[in-house]
Amino acid sequence: GAVVSQHPSWVICKSGTSVKIECRSLDFQATTMFWYRQFPKQSLMLMATSNEGSKATYEQGVEKDKFLINHASLTLSTLTVTSAHPEDSSFYICSGGRNTDTQYFGPGTRLTVL
Amino acid sequence: GENVEQHPSTLSVQEGDSAVIKCTYSDSASNYFPWYKQELGKRPQLIIDIRSNVGEKKDQRIAVTLNKTAKHFSLHITETQPEDSAVYFCAASITGAQKLVFGQGTRLTINP
Repeated sequence: GAVVSQHPSWVICKSGTSVKIECRSLDFQATTMFWYRQFPKQSLMLMATSNEGSKATYEQGVEKDKFLINHASLTLSTLTVTSAHPEDSSFYICSGGRNTDTQYFGPGTRLTVL
Repeated sequence: GENVEQHPSTLSVQEGDSAVIKCTYSDSASNYFPWYKQELGKRPQLIIDIRSNVGEKKDQRIAVTLNKTAKHFSLHITETQPEDSAVYFCAASITGAQKLVFGQGTRLTINP
C-alpha cells in the first residue's frame, strides 16, 4: 500500500481563529490529493480535490474562501480552515494514491472549535 | 454526478454467520468500486475492490460481486468474527479520476 500522514491528529481552537492541517504522502508522490470531512456517524463527504501546482477544485456547497487548500509539492497538501466556527468541528481526512484508482487515507484530524 | 446508496445502515449478525452489504450507483461511467472498513476514530482501510471488467472477487473471507447492468455491487463477509465489527463504506469512481463517492455506511456488529 501507500502511506499517508496527517498533522495534527487533533486540534482545539477558539471560534474565529484559523487552523492548518497538513497531509503528506510518505512513500509516493501525489499530483492529486483529496480532502474529506466526516461528521459523527456519517459518511465521508468530499470537500475538494487538491492539485499540485494549481488551484484546488471544490465540491458544490464548499466555500473555497473558508477552506483554503495549498498543494505546493508532490508530497504535501494543506487545508486551512479560516475563521473557524463550532459548526466546522468535524473529522477531516485526506487521501492520495499512486496514480492508480486505489486511495489511501490519512489518519484524520479531529477539529473542535469552541 | 454520481450517487451511491448503501443498505442496510446497521447490521447485526451472530459470530460465524455471514454478512451482506449492498450498494447501488447511478453513473454508468463508474468502473472502480472499493470497500473500506472504518473503526471508531480511525482512518478508512481498503479491504477489497473490484473493477467493472470483473463480476466477482474474493479474498479469504471477503468477497465482492458486481452487476454492471443493474448498477449494484455487494460485499460478502463469511464466518464473521468479533473483529469484523466496524463501519463499512462502499464507494464508486471512474478510472483515472481517483475521486471517490461514498455510500452512507453500514455499522456491522458481530455478536459473540
